[in-house]
Amino acid sequence: QQQVKQSPQSLIVQKGGIPIINCAYENTAFDYFPWYQQFPGKGPALLIAIRPDVSEKKEGRFTISFNKSAKQFSLHIMDSQPGDSATYFCAAWEGRGSTLGRLYFGRGTQLTVWP
Amino acid sequence: SQTIHQWPATLVQPVGSPLSLECTVEGTSNPNLYWYRQAAGRGLQLLFYSVGIGQISSEVPQNLSASRPQDRQFILSSKKLLLSDSGFYLCAWKLGANVLTFGAGSRLTVL
Repeated sequence: QQQVKQSPQSLIVQKGGIPIINCAYENTAFDYFPWYQQFPGKGPALLIAIRPDVSEKKEGRFTISFNKSAKQFSLHIMDSQPGDSATYFCAAWEGRGSTLGRLYFGRGTQLTVWP
Repeated sequence: SQTIHQWPATLVQPVGSPLSLECTVEGTSNPNLYWYRQAAGRGLQLLFYSVGIGQISSEVPQNLSASRPQDRQFILSSKKLLLSDSGFYLCAWKLGANVLTFGAGSRLTVL
């Protein structure tokens, strides 16, 4: 059972384009929503994250949009560059502040940015 | 600073053989530790997590087990590997309330 549904599975854009990756969830106990970036052969690394009481968060060229009522959130990458080519995972924390906090991931989106 | 080590980095094992993957964390005490598996097209699947020595919670029933013999050591094991156990295994620890930090991973191929 996939707790966080992510789409698309793969995405190809030209340099300068704005790829958008979408995620959805059902569990109302989720209380924090990070995105991770993974390069081939490496572990994922935290990219950006958002609390559910915030509708948008921007860090550099990366923006998260969050719709709490729809239980959906998305990642936008402005002015995408070939170096952004990686796999992106959305995720959701259940009980992040407690010792039993668990992080659930989407299936990932493989992004390719052509020069 | 805190660092997380995983070994071995790659492993090729025959079906039916045992498995032991090790993860250690430096620079912190009493961390929450996690094992994830990444298989093609399935994203990152939470396998086990631990809040302390000897305390293991399993997310998915399977052919694997985990142990935490020391505060900063987390071990993933199997008595008899299956083909379906192939994948990229990632250990992670929780920094503060919000951040899960991953190791470099161990790639397991079962033949």
